[in-house]
Amino acid sequence: EAGVAQSPRYKIIEKRQSVAFWCNPISGHATLYWYQQILGQGPKLLIQFQNNGVVDDSQLPKDRFSAERLKGVDSTLKIQPAKLEDSAVYLCASTQLAGARTDTQYFGPGTRLTVL
Amino acid sequence: QKEVEQDPGPLSVPEGAIVSLNCTYSNSAFQYFMWYRQYSRKGPELLMYTYSSGNKEDGRFTAQVDKSSKYISLFIRDSQPSDSATYLCAMTGGTGGYNKLIFGAGTRLAVHP
Repeated sequence: EAGVAQSPRYKIIEKRQSVAFWCNPISGHATLYWYQQILGQGPKLLIQFQNNGVVDDSQLPKDRFSAERLKGVDSTLKIQPAKLEDSAVYLCASTQLAGARTDTQYFGPGTRLTVL
Repeated sequence: QKEVEQDPGPLSVPEGAIVSLNCTYSNSAFQYFMWYRQYSRKGPELLMYTYSSGNKEDGRFTAQVDKSSKYISLFIRDSQPSDSATYLCAMTGGTGGYNKLIFGAGTRLAVHP
């Protein structure tokens, strides 16, 4: 079974530029998550999709971050404009079931963003 | 106060040692407790999952949950250099109804030969 795919793996941009990350979850997984992991911290949920609907975006800085999941499969996360404090690893995860607390989240390798 | 507190370490132990990793939490509604392992430049992977209080064993790994103290532990027996990684505790079961995981900061473990 293929895992969660993310691209690019690394990205360096200057502040005020825009950037987009892409995630392809495990085939058939209903729920997709985007996390932000700042160096030395645990992952923090930014947004959760169930199929192609948003179920939790309470911690997404909506003035600069946006995300979409087209056709309930792939997802993109965009930052515009980027700030220095956005430097982090952006992790995508997916689960097979919709909304089940006991379902295992499978993580991708992440995209490491550096904002200069 | 953070919902989940975890000592970031680093923790350095010799091969074969017993390792104890811990987290405390403040939200008494948490009922599902997980331990994830994260190797450098990789995403986290689920190691252990426990519901409510009690112990769970899987090979060299034992997870313990003490809800009365709001304290969870992960024990690694006969530690190996391949266990060198960051260990993240995570928990859910609070308000919201969905499996929103709250992670600790992670403890970096180094097992040296």
